[in-house]
Amino acid sequence: GAGVSQSPSNKVTEKGKDVELRCDPISGHTALYWYRQSLGQGLEFLIYFQGNSAPDKSGLPSDRFSAERTGGSVSTLTIQRTQQEDSAVYLCASSKDRGTYEQYFGPGTRLTVT
Amino acid sequence: QKEVEQNSGPLSVPEGAIASLNCTYSDRGSQSFFWYRQYSGKSPELIMSIYSNGDKEDGRFTAQLNKASQYVSLLIRDSQPSDSATYLCASPGDKLIFGTGTRLQVFP
Repeated sequence: GAGVSQSPSNKVTEKGKDVELRCDPISGHTALYWYRQSLGQGLEFLIYFQGNSAPDKSGLPSDRFSAERTGGSVSTLTIQRTQQEDSAVYLCASSKDRGTYEQYFGPGTRLTVT
Repeated sequence: QKEVEQNSGPLSVPEGAIASLNCTYSDRGSQSFFWYRQYSGKSPELIMSIYSNGDKEDGRFTAQLNKASQYVSLLIRDSQPSDSATYLCASPGDKLIFGTGTRLQVFP
């Protein structure tokens, strides 16, 4: 079956602009996660959704970051007034349910802020 | 705070050898672990999950979990150059707690 998909695969934007990153999870997966990986660094947790609710937003770096999920499926991560330090690969993962279920990652969106 | 620790490497092994990747964790309550493989420029790919104490084998890969020692490992038998990647150990929950990853280099 289809895996997790993300769009766009690459995004170059100017400092100060807003960007939207999209994630389409595996069909039937109720849990969805956003992570960030800066060049040569480990993975940083941002937020997760169970259905359309986000019980844990603790990883969002600032109030410029927000995310939503609609219909228990597609999720959008929005970064307002982008800064150069936002440049990273943004990864989405989904799992059958929250907890110890296996998480499968999408290909990521590489964001470059110039 | 749950933590997962890995040696960053690189771990260099000759083709055909056994590569042993190790991970320790702080939370005694952790019941399961995932191993991900990440090629340079790619996203993490789940290669093994282990939910109980002991060994789990899948092809050339064996995951080992020792809850008493809070230790989890991944053995790769008959290592191939295509196994060269960063291997991430992760403790699942409402979010994955990742180790920093071990870079494996398999040389011909």
